Amino acid sequence: NAGVTQTPKFQVLKTGQSMTLQCAQDMNHNSMYWYRQDPGMGLRLIYYSASEGTTDKGEVPNGYNVSRLNKREFSLRLESAAPSQTSVYFCASRGGLPSGNTIYFGEGSWLTVV
Amino acid sequence: DAKTTQPPSMDCAEGRAANLPCNHSTISGNEYVYWYRQIHSQGPQYIIHGLKNNETNEMASLIITEDRKSSTLILPHATLRDTAVYYCIVRVVRGTGNQFYFGTGTSLTVIP
Repeated sequence: NAGVTQTPKFQVLKTGQSMTLQCAQDMNHNSMYWYRQDPGMGLRLIYYSASEGTTDKGEVPNGYNVSRLNKREFSLRLESAAPSQTSVYFCASRGGLPSGNTIYFGEGSWLTVV
Repeated sequence: DAKTTQPPSMDCAEGRAANLPCNHSTISGNEYVYWYRQIHSQGPQYIIHGLKNNETNEMASLIITEDRKSSTLILPHATLRDTAVYYCIVRVVRGTGNQFYFGTGTSLTVIP
């Protein structure tokens, strides 16, 4: 079972470049999330999508945009990358029975902005 | 929004119970408490959750105080593989969906 799949796993960007992190889940979940984790820190919510066609800001949305392309896919875009966006990015999904109360995470995408 | 406070680190002897505390003094009545753990830099893994009653599953037990201002995660017989960062999380229910807010977690080291 694939669960939550993120691509790419590693990426180095130059300041000002743009890129999109892709996330897909195969569990037919309604809700999807994007988090970032800085060294030695907990996860902070960037954006989330409660269902297909809806997105909402989390704790740290500035500098990011998201797209809920369909029920399976939720992408995170950095329009103009900054060194402060160097972080590990986790995508997650939640929904459906019997796992409705549990969120499942991908393995992370390591992004370095130089 | 309710936030959580956890000790930054703890040690536990292998085979003993690990008791990880969490304070969530501003939690609202409909906000659940979740526990996740993260091993190295992998994606966090679900452990257990609860609203106001104590809960137990095959991994752990969750004790929530009557006033719901704090909780304790109990790993009954810690093993070396339980060494990880443990996050106490509050699930905030909004009209637009559910948000999960992570704190900075407790780094648990299980000692042989």
